[in-house]
Amino acid sequence: DTAVSQTPKYLVTQMGNDKSIKCEQNLGHDTMYWYKQDSKKFLKIMFSYNNKELIINETVPNRFSPKSPDKAHLNLHINSLELGDSAVYFCASSQDFYGSVDEQFFGPGTRLTVL
Amino acid sequence: ILNVEQSPQSLHVQEGDSTNFTCSFPSSNFYALHWYRWETAKSPEALFVMTLNGDEKKKGRISATLNTKEGYSYLYIKGSQPEDSATYLCAPMYSGGGADGLTFGKGTHLIIQP
Repeated sequence: DTAVSQTPKYLVTQMGNDKSIKCEQNLGHDTMYWYKQDSKKFLKIMFSYNNKELIINETVPNRFSPKSPDKAHLNLHINSLELGDSAVYFCASSQDFYGSVDEQFFGPGTRLTVL
Repeated sequence: ILNVEQSPQSLHVQEGDSTNFTCSFPSSNFYALHWYRWETAKSPEALFVMTLNGDEKKKGRISATLNTKEGYSYLYIKGSQPEDSATYLCAPMYSGGGADGLTFGKGTHLIIQP
């Protein structure tokens, strides 16, 4: 069983479109994250959700909107896609709550290409 | 902006040799340090989470030490094997820890040459 899954694995789309990436974890974790691997291969935190509530929103354009229908899912919706949004997006989860230091489990990544 | 430095940026090691690399981070309000291994075309996988000054953790041929007072951690690999080729990432956590997401360093890209 895949612990953290993402769909789709590859996403190619035109500039200006709206798209979503889905993430699901079956680990029973309370916290989920979205990371972006930029063009320099640097992994950066975008969002953190704990029990469906937004904890962190780093300096991400408001075209990016995470949605957590339940604590096992954290989807990433992107409006008006731009060329600079092309990247690999990783979802992750952990049992973290404030004060804990649990390891994070990463999904396989979604490679988004904006043309 | 959190200044997490990893050195060297890349490293070529002969199979069978041992190696080590460094993660440096601000020591003020330190809470924990994560090490991850990231193989090409795969997802990052957790190696260690360390919290205490002087802590040493081991997993097979890989071990790590932590100095929270001066803000650094070493990762050691003994008897390198080709499957150790990967990028090794560190990420310190501060204050209350958890649910904040990780701020990764740029990683050390390790290549083991047969």
